[in-house]
Amino acid sequence: QKEVEQDPGPLSVPEGAIVSLNCTYSNSAFQYFMWYRQYSRKGPELLMYTYSSGNKEDGRFTAQVDKSSKYISLFIRDSQPSDSATYLCAMGYQAGTALIFGKGTTLSVSS
Amino acid sequence: GAVVSQHPSWVICKSGTSVKIECRSLDFQATTMFWYRQFPKQSLMLMATSNEGSKATYEQGVEKDKFLINHASLTLSTLTVTSAHPEDSSFYICSALASGGMMDEQYFGPGTRLTVT
Repeated sequence: QKEVEQDPGPLSVPEGAIVSLNCTYSNSAFQYFMWYRQYSRKGPELLMYTYSSGNKEDGRFTAQVDKSSKYISLFIRDSQPSDSATYLCAMGYQAGTALIFGKGTTLSVSS
Repeated sequence: GAVVSQHPSWVICKSGTSVKIECRSLDFQATTMFWYRQFPKQSLMLMATSNEGSKATYEQGVEKDKFLINHASLTLSTLTVTSAHPEDSSFYICSALASGGMMDEQYFGPGTRLTVT
């Protein structure tokens, strides 16, 4: 079993839809949970960062971490065509160490 | 926000030659930089951790004699792919950790696409 599992999609939704992206993980030692957005042939861009469990909201984006279930989610409200990209979840054991990434989910939002 | 640059953004080289990729933190100092590799439709896989002034730490399965990493200053790390082969063709991405930063202060470069013919 891989450390981080993420459904690669693709996921296609109409503009304005609520999008739910998810990752599961196997190692309970992860403490830091991130979501990155990556456009084609570009480096990842940090969207959301959560330490330990709980929810975090930033504009149209909400990140949730459920450590008991080893499950994290990213919700995008009122999705826009500009949200079309690959979304990568990433996790870390401690500050200053490298991240373990999921495969990424490709999202397409149609207008 | 902090900016990390990579040079070149893409490179094509012949099999057997060496290629150097630079990763620079433009407006902050980074004692630690990470090098990742990403194949099409795959995740970013950590290759090595580069610490300024010391030897890089390589992940299992990554040949240190093939992928030479030098972190000569607090703003520059280089990855040299020696004797490149077609299977080394990939997207190489670096990230830089702002000194004393928490997990979210890891900034990624735009990536370098390497094609070996």
